[in-house]
Amino acid sequence: DVKVTQSSRYLVKRTGEKVFLECVQDMDHENMFWYRQDPGLGLRLIYFSYDVKMKEKGDIPEGYSVSREKKERFSLILESASTNQTSMYLCASRYTPDRAYEQYFGPGTRLTVT
Amino acid sequence: AQSVAQPEDQVNVAEGNPLTVKCTYSVSGNPYLFWYVQYPNRGLQFLLKYITGDNLVKGSYGFEAEFNKSQTSFHLKKPSALVSDSALYFCAVSAYSGAGSYQLTFGKGTKLSVIP
Repeated sequence: DVKVTQSSRYLVKRTGEKVFLECVQDMDHENMFWYRQDPGLGLRLIYFSYDVKMKEKGDIPEGYSVSREKKERFSLILESASTNQTSMYLCASRYTPDRAYEQYFGPGTRLTVT
Repeated sequence: AQSVAQPEDQVNVAEGNPLTVKCTYSVSGNPYLFWYVQYPNRGLQFLLKYITGDNLVKGSYGFEAEFNKSQTSFHLKKPSALVSDSALYFCAVSAYSGAGSYQLTFGKGTKLSVIP
């Protein structure tokens, strides 16, 4: 069965802290994604990775960076957290870049920056 | 650029009645369309997709969606709603984003409430 896990369900951080969000998939998927979800805005793509050590910017990469050292793990980094980064963060993975394949999502991390 | 519109922020339906959640899209080329559902405090779950072929697509939990090319729509339907169907529903379209990869563009979501 497909499984995407995220390191924390809830996280509270202070402004200026460096924040790491971890995502692990056990399906040997090539592609991995980070989204943020905000009420009324839907899901917006932050970064994606189509292979190990490869990354591409999504629609809203400012203030974020990512790391993918191993195929199963994709990390999202907030270099200096700000209050406007308070949001729900969702990780997803996909078997291949083929547009016909669906993405599988983790349970999400609700991040609050105070 | 591609886009997805879900014109209703919220849909209310009585239990046992048919339900429809609307979605229209704009994309270059042939559309690849997806529906996802999100239950409270959970991630998104895949429901169904349209790639090609029959315009009526069947998916999980008794849901189906009708693809209409002339109206650029992909509405989600279910013949008889259950209280447990209450959730947030997202429509998405797959479009080329460069780097040899396709990405999903999501609508803003429709909250479905099924009233007992």
